Amino acid sequence: DVKVTQSSRYLVKRTGEKVFLECVQDMDHENMFWYRQDPGLGLRLIYFSYDVKMKEKGDIPEGYSVSREKKERFSLILESASTNQTSMYLCASSYRESYTFGSGTRLTVV
Amino acid sequence: QQQVKQSPQSLIVQKGGISIINCAYENTAFDYFPWYQQFPGKGPALLIAIRPDVSEKKEGRFTISFNKSAKQFSLHIMDSQPGDSATYFCAASKRAAGNQFYFGTGTSLTVIP
Repeated sequence: DVKVTQSSRYLVKRTGEKVFLECVQDMDHENMFWYRQDPGLGLRLIYFSYDVKMKEKGDIPEGYSVSREKKERFSLILESASTNQTSMYLCASSYRESYTFGSGTRLTVV
Repeated sequence: QQQVKQSPQSLIVQKGGISIINCAYENTAFDYFPWYQQFPGKGPALLIAIRPDVSEKKEGRFTISFNKSAKQFSLHIMDSQPGDSATYFCAASKRAAGNQFYFGTGTSLTVIP
């Protein structure tokens, strides 16, 4: 089974801090995704990547950037964290119909 | 624009009852329709999926019904159990490489004993 690992389950950061959320997958999948999940809003796509060093904006990219230097690793960066970025962040990787999520990182910005 | 619309937002069902969650889509190019189940503190996990060449798929107590002409599909949970209490997401995608899944907004299901 594909395993998608998010480095932190819970994070608390201060407003204005630069925040890095890390995601690693172990099945050589080309496609990786970052979502945020908020009550009543479902899963909203922030950024995705089809290959190393390649990135595409999703539906809500403002305030975020990403990095994909290696195929297995996809990082989400909050350049200057704000309280409205408090959320559950989910990473996923996919190949064709196989789409696997990590367990999520609950980020609180205070 | 929401590519996949899901209802209801929340659902409460008695143990042993039938839970029904509905989804609708617009893009006729979609050819893969999975359902994901998410328990608190976990990421969503694939529950069951269907392709548009069949109208129904059943796996245990879980059934997807698919209506291609209406561009709708639904999840039925028979004999609902308290352990089924979770958030359910429908999704749609095109199966070509580099696919992106479009998710519904989720349904929070509570099965009461």
